[in-house]
Amino acid sequence: EVQLVESGGGLVQPGWSLRLSCAASGFTFGDFAMHWVRQGPGEGLEWVSGISWNTDIKGHADSVKGRFTISRDNARSSLYLQMNSLTADDTALYYCARGRGGDIRWDLDYWGQGIMVTVSP
Amino acid sequence: QSALTQPASVSGSPGQSITISCTGTSSDVGTYDLVSWYQQYPGKAPKPMIYEGTKRPSGVSSRFSGSKSGNTASLTISGLQAEDEADYYCFSYAGTFCVFGTGTKVTV
Repeated sequence: EVQLVESGGGLVQPGWSLRLSCAASGFTFGDFAMHWVRQGPGEGLEWVSGISWNTDIKGHADSVKGRFTISRDNARSSLYLQMNSLTADDTALYYCARGRGGDIRWDLDYWGQGIMVTVSP
Repeated sequence: QSALTQPASVSGSPGQSITISCTGTSSDVGTYDLVSWYQQYPGKAPKPMIYEGTKRPSGVSSRFSGSKSGNTASLTISGLQAEDEADYYCFSYAGTFCVFGTGTKVTV
């Protein structure tokens, strides 16, 4: 059974940094692209970042470019999101999701339950 | 990187059919046959309903179907049921990034 479990969220002050992790199990992690998707309170889904199976391809939304960095460790079956210079606009539930294939172009076929990040003074 | 455009809400009676549109550009929906659709209940993670424009994941009802014309993709729900009341989002690849639609609340 595919499982994606996010961790590392919490309450931080504006300007601080946070690193999210996603532990994957139940499939060969290194064969699939992975993504981060977020949803602000009462808002819609927003794609944040995606990374190909071999890390050759990384994409970030303009809203986080230069502040957030996606990475992965295939040996540990783990996905990460380093978030710097956080602002109130980054307050959201962050989901880890698996891409159907190795490239970031494919749809998201499995999702974690999400981890909350709150940015507030 | 603009979000794909969806109607804010669509409603229908039980048994009816409804269609949700997802309008993008020639850089995303119009170029790639990779639009997917997700159903989301309040407080729950999104659930894949359609992928690669027209394909249904295992376990998804055949009442859900997808199509595309030009820069607009569509999700049709036929034989509307109370359990279909949820939020729906489209998603597309756009060359170097990905983008979601603005979301549609379906009311039965």
